[in-house]
Amino acid sequence: GAVVSQHPSRVICKSGTSVKIECRSLDFQATTMFWYRQFPKQSLMLMATSNEGSKATYEQGVEKDKFLINHASLTLSTLTVTSAHPEDSSFYICSGKASPNQPQHFGDGTRLSIL
Amino acid sequence: DQQVKQNSPSLSVQEGRISILNCDYTNSMFDYFLWYKKYPAEGPTFLISISSIKDKNEDGRFTVFLNKSAKHLSLHIVPSQPGDSAVYFCAASSLRDDKIIFGKGTRLHILP
Repeated sequence: GAVVSQHPSRVICKSGTSVKIECRSLDFQATTMFWYRQFPKQSLMLMATSNEGSKATYEQGVEKDKFLINHASLTLSTLTVTSAHPEDSSFYICSGKASPNQPQHFGDGTRLSIL
Repeated sequence: DQQVKQNSPSLSVQEGRISILNCDYTNSMFDYFLWYKKYPAEGPTFLISISSIKDKNEDGRFTVFLNKSAKHLSLHIVPSQPGDSAVYFCAASSLRDDKIIFGKGTRLHILP
């Protein structure tokens, strides 16, 4: 099946640090990639949708200047959490899909802990 | 307001019996439904989907039923196996829109 690799799996850093998370589709070209956030005992909440070569579309309430998304190629998207604060601590997970009629395939997520 | 609801946070089923996971949705624009399975420390894995033109889709031990009038779908796993123990997420989207809306998940425990 389609494989999405997400790195790093866990990050612990100080408040004010910027953190970059990478999401790669390994065996398919992801024309669209998605970034989600999940708080404990909550559902996966979509943060933004990105198409290769164009600007990401952010969901309501998600600050685009804080969560920078780059989708420079069909196999790589990055999420940078800028000047992270403790309230940004969460589980971030990406997914990719090859075409509109295909299901999304997820990475294994990144547990971000801001001290 | 939750558009996709999984009202049972957890479910325990004896090995070999049928597991039934339920999901309700509120948005009548949804026309594509998916189930994902998630193990700890891993991302969700796509399991099975159904479009609104069908009321049943079967793949091996997994069957998804859709009742559009009731805005309800269910995932049946039979026979249940120990490896089925995981969190199951119900999700919905519109085929015109890439966004998927997830439920909160149901943790399934398969008992020996």
